[in-house]
Amino acid sequence: GIQVEQSPPDLILQEGANSTLRCNFSDSVNNLQWFHQNPWGQLINLFYIPSGTKQNGRLSATTVATERYSLLYISSSQTTDSGVYFCAVIRNTGGFKTIFGAGTRLFVKA
Amino acid sequence: GAVVSQHPSRVICKSGTSVKIECRSLDFQATTMFWYRQFPKQSLMLMATSNEGSKATYEQGVEKDKFLINHASLTLSTLTVTSAHPEDSSFYICSASGGYGVRSTEAFFGQGTRLTVV
Repeated sequence: GIQVEQSPPDLILQEGANSTLRCNFSDSVNNLQWFHQNPWGQLINLFYIPSGTKQNGRLSATTVATERYSLLYISSSQTTDSGVYFCAVIRNTGGFKTIFGAGTRLFVKA
Repeated sequence: GAVVSQHPSRVICKSGTSVKIECRSLDFQATTMFWYRQFPKQSLMLMATSNEGSKATYEQGVEKDKFLINHASLTLSTLTVTSAHPEDSSFYICSASGGYGVRSTEAFFGQGTRLTVV
């Protein structure tokens, strides 16, 4: 099956710093999403981004489908950005599945 | 964005009893719902996929008689953990998809249910 790898696995930032999270996937996909899981377990949709670049406030994402990777940029990080960031790819092969990477655990220090 | 509500958020039950978890799409029709299980500090593990009006498709290794899934309407899916044991204790999360066009596969997640079996 398709493999989804995220890096780095863990990241500690000082408040105000910028960071880039990466998601590599092993096969072609129909779509890709980025999520933030907060400390209470809720998964928040960040981006639905099969290709191209999108921005939402301090966050932006770029997916290069032909090269099978996506990047999530966090600028001017805040303590509330802490949590786990998941990349999930969607394959549609007679019924679709969402396959998650292992996640990047981010801690932003005040 | 679309809203998915999952209930209950926490449940404690005794070994041998059954627990039902509900997943509702509040403002859209969910043609497909997914159930995941998450262990501490791990990623989400897909348990099963359910389409409205048809039987759920379970992932390899997931006991269908243990984890009963019903998707009776376009806005409701339920997961029943039958004859629960302590090893069933986990965080269970549902997601729903069902838009149209290019965003038809976008997934929206419920708040999750933390199950503790004592």
